[in-house]
Amino acid sequence: AQTVTQSQPEMSVQEAETVTLSCTYDTSESDYYLFWYKQPPSRQMILVIRQEAYKQQNATENRFSVNFQKAAKSFSLKISDSQLGDAAMYFCAYRSSGYSTLTFGKGTMLLVSP
Amino acid sequence: NAGVTQTPKFRILKIGQSMTLQCAQDMNHNYMYWYRQDPGMGLKLIYYSVGAGITDKGEVPNGYNVSRSTTEDFPLRLELAAPSQTSVYFCASSLRGGSLGSPLHFGNGTRLTVT
Repeated sequence: AQTVTQSQPEMSVQEAETVTLSCTYDTSESDYYLFWYKQPPSRQMILVIRQEAYKQQNATENRFSVNFQKAAKSFSLKISDSQLGDAAMYFCAYRSSGYSTLTFGKGTMLLVSP
Repeated sequence: NAGVTQTPKFRILKIGQSMTLQCAQDMNHNYMYWYRQDPGMGLKLIYYSVGAGITDKGEVPNGYNVSRSTTEDFPLRLELAAPSQTSVYFCASSLRGGSLGSPLHFGNGTRLTVT
């Protein structure tokens, strides 16, 4: 079974600074998808960014980008120019191309200070 | 589109009571899921369905039941509620796999307390 590991239970960053959240995963497959979800205090789960494993180019969505290292099975999320509204729990998730379910990591709580 | 709608938002149950968490989606998604979220544990899959009439167990199915009679609805039934079922429950849906990784669309969750 695939596993997703987020080794940082909590991270802190100041407004306007850059922070990187780590995620590693374990799989024997070559074709899969990776996601970062954000969960603010409202409890809503919001898709931040996605990456297809067959694409070498790292995905970018405005201030959010990933560093996808397929050989190392690493999928980190970089948040640039951090804002107070970025404060949330962030979950990394894995989905095999051949399976219908998503496996989540335990999450990283991001604190943003003024 | 309303997306994924979960009801109720909050519920308190006594030990041994039963209840059904409702979930409906209007995006014509094939796949639907129930996850539970416990503090520090991420999201654990309870049950999922790949289409009407088809359901399958996830990682933590004990104490729960589901049905999928229509594409739109995927209710989760708790029989004989126990304190260990105190959690936040999320329903989600997605397209059939292959479409940009088919990310999950989540409902807003149900906070359930069993005392």
